Amino acid sequence: GESVGLHLPTLSVQEGDNSIINCAYSNSASDYFIWYKQESGKGPQFIIDIRSNMDKRQGQRVTVLLNKTVKHLSLQIAATQPGDSAVYFCADSFGNEKLTFGTGTRLTIIP
Amino acid sequence: DAGITQSPRYKITETGRQVTLMCHQTWSHSYMFWYRQDLGHGLRLIYYSAAADITDKGEVPDGYVVSRSKTENFPLTLESATRSQTSVYFCASSELAGEFYEQYFGPGTRLTVT
Repeated sequence: GESVGLHLPTLSVQEGDNSIINCAYSNSASDYFIWYKQESGKGPQFIIDIRSNMDKRQGQRVTVLLNKTVKHLSLQIAATQPGDSAVYFCADSFGNEKLTFGTGTRLTIIP
Repeated sequence: DAGITQSPRYKITETGRQVTLMCHQTWSHSYMFWYRQDLGHGLRLIYYSAAADITDKGEVPDGYVVSRSKTENFPLTLESATRSQTSVYFCASSELAGEFYEQYFGPGTRLTVT
């Protein structure tokens, strides 16, 4: 079936460096993509979203890039801080309110 | 603004017992969802509801029952708990924002079935 997946389960980044978290999706008809951040013991928290008619969207210290040709999504976090340590999930949807989530990438910040 | 709350936050129950997890949202969102989160599986949709008295199955509905008599509440019942239902359960709600739906999650309920 269609699924959203992540390339790496863990990522360690030096504090102050930029982080890039990748996600591959398989449903070429997906029209909406979201990144969530989940801190230990908490529910997922919305970070940023992007529609399929866009290639790039920027937020505060975060940028999401969408490459529809290779069905790839990435989340870039600039100047990574200790508070960025969390599990990051991508999710997609196709024309409706239901989201399909990937398995998550754990981001660890090295002081 | 309370947002979306879940209770209890932690629950230990025995195999075969019935247990109900509560979810309450204060935004009057139309849609509500129940997910379970297990290591290696991410978030999997159990049931969702488009409005009061309208519910539908998600990816993993077996062993679960939901109801939605009021817009703000969406309880999830495990009729006869099994060890495989040990998990962290998240409730979410969403409303149309422009063209798409943004989902907001509760803090989760950690359920252990012994």
